[in-house]
Amino acid sequence: EPEVTQTPSHQVTQMGQEVILRCVPISNHLYFYWYRQILGQKVEFLVSFYNNEISEKSEIFDDQFSVERPDGSNFTLKIRSTKLEDSAMYFCASSDRTLGGETQYFGPGTRLLVL
Amino acid sequence: AQSVTQPDIHITVSEGASLELRCNYSYGATPYLFWYVQSPGQGLQLLLKYFSGDTLVQGIKGFEAEFKRSQSSFNLRKPSVHWSDAAEYFCAVGAYTAGKSTFGDGTTLTVKP
Repeated sequence: EPEVTQTPSHQVTQMGQEVILRCVPISNHLYFYWYRQILGQKVEFLVSFYNNEISEKSEIFDDQFSVERPDGSNFTLKIRSTKLEDSAMYFCASSDRTLGGETQYFGPGTRLLVL
Repeated sequence: AQSVTQPDIHITVSEGASLELRCNYSYGATPYLFWYVQSPGQGLQLLLKYFSGDTLVQGIKGFEAEFKRSQSSFNLRKPSVHWSDAAEYFCAVGAYTAGKSTFGDGTTLTVKP
């Protein structure tokens, strides 16, 4: 069964550094998402992406964040200058939004720790 | 705006007992509803979903959920819990046009032997 993959599984970085989290969505999917989950808290929507542009973003997704689909398979989340509060699990998801409704398939996540 | 409430932060049941996890949602139109399970340190696994049609939906691992529009609820049930069901359970609501899913705070399930 096709699945969403994410790399790396864990990343430790220093405050102020840039990080890029990578995702490979399911191959025929057209809609892509990033969510984050701070330890012990609920999953929060960050951004949705379709047709090479952002469809919607939350208030969390400020100017420090950016997304890109650099080629036909990868979908990346960049945090330009990380802060301590960016420490979280970041989930990528993709969907094909069929007529039957949308099901988002989540990747295993990247655990980011900012020191 | 869409929102989800999971009233129970933590539930403990004995192995073999029945389980019901509550979920209430707020959404202006017909919602798309989901239940996910998350084991410690793991990603989100979709248990089941409701888009339309039969209000009782069956999912994986023996779970089912019932959509009740009048109560704005989508409670998750399982007739007999196994120790491996211990995990965090998230209810989520989505919208066809908006795309994003809004998650509840989650319910932690502990299973006693």
